[in-house]
Amino acid sequence: GAVVSQHPSWVICKSGTSVKIECRSLDFQATTMFWYRQFPKQSLMLMATSNEGSKATYEQGVEKDKFLINHASLTLSTLTVTSAHPEDSSFYICSARDQVTSGTDTQYFGPGTRLTVL
Amino acid sequence: AQKVTQAQTEISVVEKEDVTLDCVYETRDTTYYLFWYKQPPSGELVFLIRRNSFDEQNEISGRYSWNFQKSTSSFNFTITASQVVDSAVYFCALSGDPSGSARQLTFGSGTQLTVLP
Repeated sequence: GAVVSQHPSWVICKSGTSVKIECRSLDFQATTMFWYRQFPKQSLMLMATSNEGSKATYEQGVEKDKFLINHASLTLSTLTVTSAHPEDSSFYICSARDQVTSGTDTQYFGPGTRLTVL
Repeated sequence: AQKVTQAQTEISVVEKEDVTLDCVYETRDTTYYLFWYKQPPSGELVFLIRRNSFDEQNEISGRYSWNFQKSTSSFNFTITASQVVDSAVYFCALSGDPSGSARQLTFGSGTQLTVLP
């Protein structure tokens, strides 16, 4: 299947700093990428939909000024957690929508980034 | 609104036993897609299957099989002759967007499967 990478795989930062997470589709182009958040032993909650060349669409309750999303190319979307606080500590997972390669319109997920804010 | 219910929070079986993971969904869309993903301890979500609402044929892939029943809005997943490596959290998910745009996924709460040696 298609491959999606995330970088970094884990990051520890101090409260008040900003952290950028990258999501790349390695062998296909993705006009749409999604960002999810997963707390321990919980399900994935969609944060936002990232569309190449346009503004991201945020889910209700997600602060767009805190979670900045940029989808600058067909293979890269970034999530920046600004002024991170301990409650932002979580597992962040991106997915990329493959509408062309497999012909079946499937989301492929990255390996996730574990963010710990001290 | 869409909803996916995985009533089984945790299941433990002994190796070689068969196990079925339940998934019940709610949607008003006439066209929708159902998925199963596996999340091992490493955290990465592994795509297992995608099924559209018009295809009610059951599917078998090795030790995995899926039973899609539109009448009961269920999409259950069975692992035959389970192995320790099957231990993971399994998520059922639903996608439906008549406009054909974002196709957001709604996930169930997941079922933690532990296969004991």
